[in-house]
Amino acid sequence: EAGVTQSPTHLIKTRGQQATLRCSPISGHTSVYWYQQALGLGLQFLLWYDEGEERNRGNFPPRFSGRQFPNYSSELNVNALELEDSALYLCASTLTRGYTFGSGTRLTVV
Amino acid sequence: AQSVTQPDIHITVSEGASLELRCNYSYGATPYLFWYVQSPGQGLQLLLKYFSGDTLVQGIKGFEAEFKRSQSSFNLRKPSVHWSDAAEYFCAVGGGATNKLIFGTGTLLAVQP
Repeated sequence: EAGVTQSPTHLIKTRGQQATLRCSPISGHTSVYWYQQALGLGLQFLLWYDEGEERNRGNFPPRFSGRQFPNYSSELNVNALELEDSALYLCASTLTRGYTFGSGTRLTVV
Repeated sequence: AQSVTQPDIHITVSEGASLELRCNYSYGATPYLFWYVQSPGQGLQLLLKYFSGDTLVQGIKGFEAEFKRSQSSFNLRKPSVHWSDAAEYFCAVGGGATNKLIFGTGTLLAVQP
């Protein structure tokens, strides 16, 4: 079966711009989690989507947002990019409690 | 509050030697516990997980972990390390209403020839 797919692999944006990251979960998985892995900060929980609804969000400002589509794929939007938003953004999908991660999107803000 | 502690930031072992990576957690109920491995610039690969039952869990790549409730630990072990095991290892705890995973800060493993 296909794994969790994230696109793009790399993204370079200018400070103040908006970034859109995409995630396609494993077929049949209804939950999608987003994590940020910034240098020196570890893996921080960002957002949880399940059945099309945002269920929980981590301690991030509102300019981090997203949505989940009817096919359970998900999009993470980061508005008004700041230099410290540079990080690897990881998406994971799960049906019950088996979390499978994608390879991530490396976002660089210059 | 839920938390995961990986006390060793960096470990170096010789190829062929045994390995143990430590993980301690703080969690109010029965935790779901995971070990993931990450190669540079890559995503996370699941090595093994514990939900319930036998406290000794076997994973991929010859890894195993033992859940010890009395010590709030879930240490990862491998009897003989290969050079390809060099990577960063993350312990995580999940469960509760949000189902989100909380990760430790990771242990970077270097393997000497």
